[in-house]
Amino acid sequence: DTGVSQNPRHKITKRGQNVTFRCDPISEHNRLYWYRQTLGQGPEFLTYFQNEAQLEKSRLLSDRFSAERPKGSFSTLEIQRTEQGDSAMYLCASSIQGVYNSPLHFGNGTRLTVT
Amino acid sequence: DQQVKQNSPSLSVQEGRISILNCDYTNSMFDYFLWYKKYPAEGPTFLISISSIKDKNEDGRFTVFLNKSAKHLSLHIVPSQPGDSAVYFCAASDEAGGTSYGKLTFGQGTILTVHP
Repeated sequence: DTGVSQNPRHKITKRGQNVTFRCDPISEHNRLYWYRQTLGQGPEFLTYFQNEAQLEKSRLLSDRFSAERPKGSFSTLEIQRTEQGDSAMYLCASSIQGVYNSPLHFGNGTRLTVT
Repeated sequence: DQQVKQNSPSLSVQEGRISILNCDYTNSMFDYFLWYKKYPAEGPTFLISISSIKDKNEDGRFTVFLNKSAKHLSLHIVPSQPGDSAVYFCAASDEAGGTSYGKLTFGQGTILTVHP
């Protein structure tokens, strides 16, 4: 169990640029979640996958955001035409669906700064 | 609309004493509650959870209490240790009957500082 891995750890970009983050979940976990955390707040749910299927998206996920999980393994979160309001910590988490009370395991996040 | 609230931004306690962190929620559909701990530059780490059919769950030094009628839960840490200093998040799920609780609503967090 190597834990949930996220890359990059930090990303600084200029407004209007596109960015992509990667998440590698714990290998046997079939569910993968994306959350966003801003300063002074708790994480907010964005979207989640079961295997390769994206099952739910939050209203927070505007059209500029897209997430994929090809082949049900790693996932990418892309933000197009970034805005300053997108500056936040983006957290990925994984769990096993089908195991009772399986908690979420979070990665260390990608901190995005939009200048 | 903050459905899960942690009204104390910070808490300071002496080593060896009890730490009590509080959390209130408004959504009566929440049926599973969790506490996560977060150190700087790391992601949240699962600590303890409780189902709505229970009112108490213990794991070592950590106990979570749930008062459904008051829509209130608390985390007790006894005895507190300096290594417990972190941000603590309360979270709730309404995935009733689910076997994996991943779509969580988090509170704002409480910064716990345990002084030696």
